[in-house]
Amino acid sequence: DQQVKQNSPSLSVQEGRISILNCDYTNSMFDYFLWYKKYPAEGPTFLISISSIKDKNEDGRFTVFLNKSAKHLSLHIVPSQPGDSAVYFCAASSRTGGADGLTFGKGTHLIIQP
Amino acid sequence: DVKVTQSSRYLVKRTGEKVFLECVQDMDHENMFWYRQDPGLGLRLIYFSYDVKMKEKGDIPEGYSVSREKKERFSLILESASTNQTSMYLCASSFTGVDYGYTFGSGTRLTVV
Repeated sequence: DQQVKQNSPSLSVQEGRISILNCDYTNSMFDYFLWYKKYPAEGPTFLISISSIKDKNEDGRFTVFLNKSAKHLSLHIVPSQPGDSAVYFCAASSRTGGADGLTFGKGTHLIIQP
Repeated sequence: DVKVTQSSRYLVKRTGEKVFLECVQDMDHENMFWYRQDPGLGLRLIYFSYDVKMKEKGDIPEGYSVSREKKERFSLILESASTNQTSMYLCASSFTGVDYGYTFGSGTRLTVV
């Protein structure tokens, strides 16, 4: 059973607009959430994270929102740029620090249209 | 520049061969991980290690084993490669702590023929 779900395999957004990537989780023990970005033929790179004690974390153009009651988080990218075209993975951990491994979603392929 | 280095970018092996995938990190991280990435399945955890000589099974350990003799090196071993192990293999490492994300290597694309 998938514990971290990214229900949109792909998303197309116009350059300059807002990109919203969604992620749902089922395990109520998850207490730390991360987003990773992956280009083809490269390893994923860490983008932004949020602890379950917060509901928002912002870093430049990237903001992650967490709704614990709905077990839902989202990544907002504003404004979207061509270099943002990549696969985005949502990940969750059930123990702070992730020493026992992150659980990843299947990823959303974001395509930024010029 | 700190990094996680995977020994091969591309590898082609025959069914039944023993395959070693090597990963080295220079960040003094305690934790190291092996994932595989397949289309439509995302990243799945194979094995991880939180200390030298320690190893824990992830979600899909069948057909794999690991070795961590030194803190900086974590090896993934396919005892007898099969075609369903054709995949992109990603190594990652991290400190233990709430504010640390994982650092991933560039990946090894393994094809078993």
